Amino acid sequence: AQKITQTQPGMFVQEKEAVTLDCTYDTSDQSYGLFWYKQPSSGEMIFLIYQGSYDEQNATEGRYSLNFQKARKSANLVISASQLGDSAMYFCAMNGNDMRFGAGTRLTVKP
Amino acid sequence: DSGVTQTPKHLITATGQRVTLRCSPRSGDLSVYWYQQSLDQGLQFLIQYYNGEERAKGNILERFSAQQFPDLHSELNLSSLELGDSALYFCASSSRTSGSLLAKNIQYFGAGTRLSVL
Repeated sequence: AQKITQTQPGMFVQEKEAVTLDCTYDTSDQSYGLFWYKQPSSGEMIFLIYQGSYDEQNATEGRYSLNFQKARKSANLVISASQLGDSAMYFCAMNGNDMRFGAGTRLTVKP
Repeated sequence: DSGVTQTPKHLITATGQRVTLRCSPRSGDLSVYWYQQSLDQGLQFLIQYYNGEERAKGNILERFSAQQFPDLHSELNLSSLELGDSALYFCASSSRTSGSLLAKNIQYFGAGTRLSVL
């Protein structure tokens, strides 16, 4: 069965600094996708970035990059130059027959 | 704006009642997914429909049911409501069905319906 683990319930980062949110996964599938979503206090779930299991390069989307280490089964999200608006819950997810989500990490950006 | 529309935004009802949550997917998306987000259970997958047919089932209670109509909108019906059903219910849509051969299946979420059962 697929499993997503986010071990950091909460993280703090200073504005303009970079932060890494951890995500490890477990699957027996050879082909899978890894996703990160942001959930601000308003509640909506916002898609941030996708990484395919066969993608050789780490995905990047603006200030977001995904540090994909397949052998270690990790898919960490790196946010560069943090902004106050980055304060939110962040969820790592993986798809197969359905989408499984981790428990989330609450990121707080300090001014 | 994700393009996924959920109504209503908020719903307050009493135990034992029945409610219907509605979702309109992004234009062109054939798959609709329903999720429940509660404080103690996190984000749980409930059910998926693809072009009108049920495709996958997750942790959906027997008191809950869903369907996808020919115009691709979907409804989630919750009956005999209990206090523990209070949660944020999300609908998401994607252009593909899930499956290990189709890993890039980005789901776009609606803003959710917050259900409060009193």
